[in-house]
Amino acid sequence: EVQLVESGGGLVQPGGSLRLSCAASGFTFSDYWMHWVRQSPGQGLVWVSRISSDGGTAKYADSVKGRLAISRDNAKKTLDLQINSLRAEDTAVYYCARERWGTTDMDVWGKGTTVTVSS
Amino acid sequence: SYVLTQPPSVSVAPGQTARISCGEDNIGSKSVHWYQQKPGQAPVVVVFADSDRPSGIPERFSGSNSGNTATLTINRVEAGDEADYYCQVWDRDSDQWVFGGGTKLAVL
Repeated sequence: EVQLVESGGGLVQPGGSLRLSCAASGFTFSDYWMHWVRQSPGQGLVWVSRISSDGGTAKYADSVKGRLAISRDNAKKTLDLQINSLRAEDTAVYYCARERWGTTDMDVWGKGTTVTVSS
Repeated sequence: SYVLTQPPSVSVAPGQTARISCGEDNIGSKSVHWYQQKPGQAPVVVVFADSDRPSGIPERFSGSNSGNTATLTINRVEAGDEADYYCQVWDRDSDQWVFGGGTKLAVL
């Protein structure tokens, strides 16, 4: 079964850091570009970051550039997102998603991990 | 930056047709994807590349894209279709993935 499972969320104080992880299974992870998408409480989906299949190219939303770092380990089939200088507005459910091969949509999503930034 | 405009809500009676729009200048030149999200669940793609339907998605779901508007059409709406729907594109100029603000579909 094709599956993505996120972990690493939790309650963090403003200014802190957090590393989210996404474990992939059921498909050849190294063949696919991967994304992080977040959703603040009661709000819509917001694209955060994307990384190429070999990890060589990363792209970030303008709103988070400089504070986030996406990475992957194809041997371990994991995708990570490092978030620094956390702010209240980073409070959200963070989803990892697979980009469908040959198009630009996201065909497989994890259930998400929740990050809460609060003192 | 590229902004996709969706109506906040659409209401339709069971058995009728729901149409959800996604607007932006010259969106017809881009590939538009549509996601369904039910409360507490992750999004699921229901239409990709303007009008393609993933396996397992009912034929009642279809998409079109031309000019400044893309449209998700749901025929013979059922109570189970009640959800939030999001359009999404990849903006080549900025190399960013963009979601619309979402539309809440209410089945009366």
